[in-house]
Amino acid sequence: EDKVVQSPLSLVVHEGDTVTLNCSYEVTNFRSLLWYKQEKKAPTFLFMLTSSGIEKKSGRLSSILDKKELSSILNITATQTGDSAIYLCAVSLNAGNNRKLIWGLGTSLAVNP
Amino acid sequence: GAGVSQSPSNKVTEKGKDVELRCDPISGHTALYWYRQSLGQGLEFLIYFQGNSAPDKSGLPSDRFSAERTGGSVSTLTIQRTQQEDSAVYLCASTAGGGNQPQHFGDGTRLSIL
Repeated sequence: EDKVVQSPLSLVVHEGDTVTLNCSYEVTNFRSLLWYKQEKKAPTFLFMLTSSGIEKKSGRLSSILDKKELSSILNITATQTGDSAIYLCAVSLNAGNNRKLIWGLGTSLAVNP
Repeated sequence: GAGVSQSPSNKVTEKGKDVELRCDPISGHTALYWYRQSLGQGLEFLIYFQGNSAPDKSGLPSDRFSAERTGGSVSTLTIQRTQQEDSAVYLCASTAGGGNQPQHFGDGTRLSIL
């Protein structure tokens, strides 16, 4: 059965800390891995990773995929209270017409002032 | 529209009633997805539309759940004879068809069954 596992489930840090969130997957026919940030409502798209070893970066956030280890990390440097959210990882499969994503349960990040 | 729009944002109804949730995807997006998110749980896939057809309905939890999409745009998710376990946030996402595109989500409908 296809699955995506995120760790830790929750994390509490202080402003200015650096955090690393993990996502590992066991799927048939991997296509890409996506990271989303969910605050109060809609998950918002952060990164899509398809190739190993190529870092994607947006401001203080960066992510990289390791297809040999079947995992990805999301790094947030110099955290701010606005980074508090649930970070969701999902894997897209190559499965014909099926574009469904397999989702992890998320990491709940709380950044305290 | 600029983003995925869902309505209503909140719905409270009595057990046994039928509800209809609406999703208006990003203009031009051909693929549309419905998910359910319960408190403390991940996103549960319900159904996927490509245009007006639904190649994958595998996530619909029971025959009380149905969805349709007309004109390749707006979709409605209908839950008949609601049960308390149907209480959740129902999220809709859309993506441009073809290729490997990220899904863009609406703000969801928070459904509470009394």
